[in-house]
Amino acid sequence: DQQVKQNSPSLSVQEGRISILNCDYTNSMFDYFLWYKKYPAEGPTFLISISSIKDKNEDGRFTVFLNKSAKHLSLHIVPSQPGDSAVYFCAAPSNSGYALNFGKGTSLLVTP
Amino acid sequence: EAQVTQNPRYLITVTGKKLTVTCSQNMNHEYMSWYRQDPGLGLRQIYYSMNVEVTDKGDVPEGYKVSRKEKRNFPLILESPSPNQTSLYFCASSSGTYNEQFFGPGTRLTVL
Repeated sequence: DQQVKQNSPSLSVQEGRISILNCDYTNSMFDYFLWYKKYPAEGPTFLISISSIKDKNEDGRFTVFLNKSAKHLSLHIVPSQPGDSAVYFCAAPSNSGYALNFGKGTSLLVTP
Repeated sequence: EAQVTQNPRYLITVTGKKLTVTCSQNMNHEYMSWYRQDPGLGLRQIYYSMNVEVTDKGDVPEGYKVSRKEKRNFPLILESPSPNQTSLYFCASSSGTYNEQFFGPGTRLTVL
């Protein structure tokens, strides 16, 4: 059973507006989360991460929010740009720290 | 340049014909992993390795083998490929699952 869930397969946003990508998890022991971005015909690349001791981490246009009580995190992209169009994966290391659980991904399309 | 390389990038084969997909990293990372990406299923971990001679199963290990005889190399072996192993495969390395993973460019495998 998937422990990291991204329930929105796709999202379309206008350039300049905010993109919000959501991720839910079932395992309350998860203490670290990562977001990866993937363009077609390329491998995923690391985007941003957050530890469970924080509720927010910001890097330029990208901010990740963590709500531990709701077992929910979200990635905000502000302002969205056409180059942000990609598939975004949420991931969490397992309790052992060695396996990595990925969500199914959300395909973001930013239109001009 | 820090990178993860995979070979081949594309492979079409037939059922039952043994194949190996190679993966090599030049960052002296201890942790390496194999994933497959399928439509609607996202990235699923096949096997991972915490260090030389130390490997463990991920979520979908059936039909695959791995070995880690050297730190830089982590080949994926399909002893008897079947059509349900048609997929896009990614190798990744990092200094740990809590750290950024560097992904290879992917290997698109088709098993007829």
